[in-house]
Amino acid sequence: AQKVTQAQTEISVVEKEDVTLDCVYETRDTTYYLFWYKQPPSGELVFLIRRNSFDEQNEISGRYSWNFQKSTSSFNFTITASQVVDSAVYFCARSSYGQNFVFGPGTRLSVLP
Amino acid sequence: DSGVTQTPKHLITATGQRVTLRCSPRSGDLSVYWYQQSLDQGLQFLIQYYNGEERAKGNILERFSAQQFPDLHSELNLSSLELGDSALYFCASSGQTPYYNSPLHFGNGTRLTVT
Repeated sequence: AQKVTQAQTEISVVEKEDVTLDCVYETRDTTYYLFWYKQPPSGELVFLIRRNSFDEQNEISGRYSWNFQKSTSSFNFTITASQVVDSAVYFCARSSYGQNFVFGPGTRLSVLP
Repeated sequence: DSGVTQTPKHLITATGQRVTLRCSPRSGDLSVYWYQQSLDQGLQFLIQYYNGEERAKGNILERFSAQQFPDLHSELNLSSLELGDSALYFCASSGQTPYYNSPLHFGNGTRLTVT
């Protein structure tokens, strides 16, 4: 199976620190898609971003940014100036046109006041 | 709001019983997925339907079954429940094709407690 690895099981930071969540994926496909989801303590799963393999431009959305590097098969997620509301479990996922979604195990982020 | 509706939000039942979880996908989405998330665990893919037909099967137990109806809503049936079936069950929907290039949009989940 083509795995998605999130090596950091848990991260703890103090508010206003920057934090990067790592995601490394395996794929044999030329075209594939990468995703990040957030699961706050309330339990719902929130879609954050989709990136396709054609587009290696980094993306920034407010305090969130994503760094996609095909050469290292990584799609890392950085939160700048973290806030307590960022505390959640974050899941990275991969799919391709004909290959179902594969989720990483998740990284639990705790942002302390 | 993802646009995916799951009912009920919470379900408490006894071992050996049978329950049905219901999901309405986002308007226009034809694919419905079911996932199981046990306590502090990741997301386990159970099954996918596309436009009424089973499309992909994951680690779904034989005691579990699902279907997608002509109006595209889906139901997940869990029978002969065991304590270990206690989990959060998510439904997700995506896209107008059976392919995996559109993001999944998740419902808020049904928390099942088996006592």
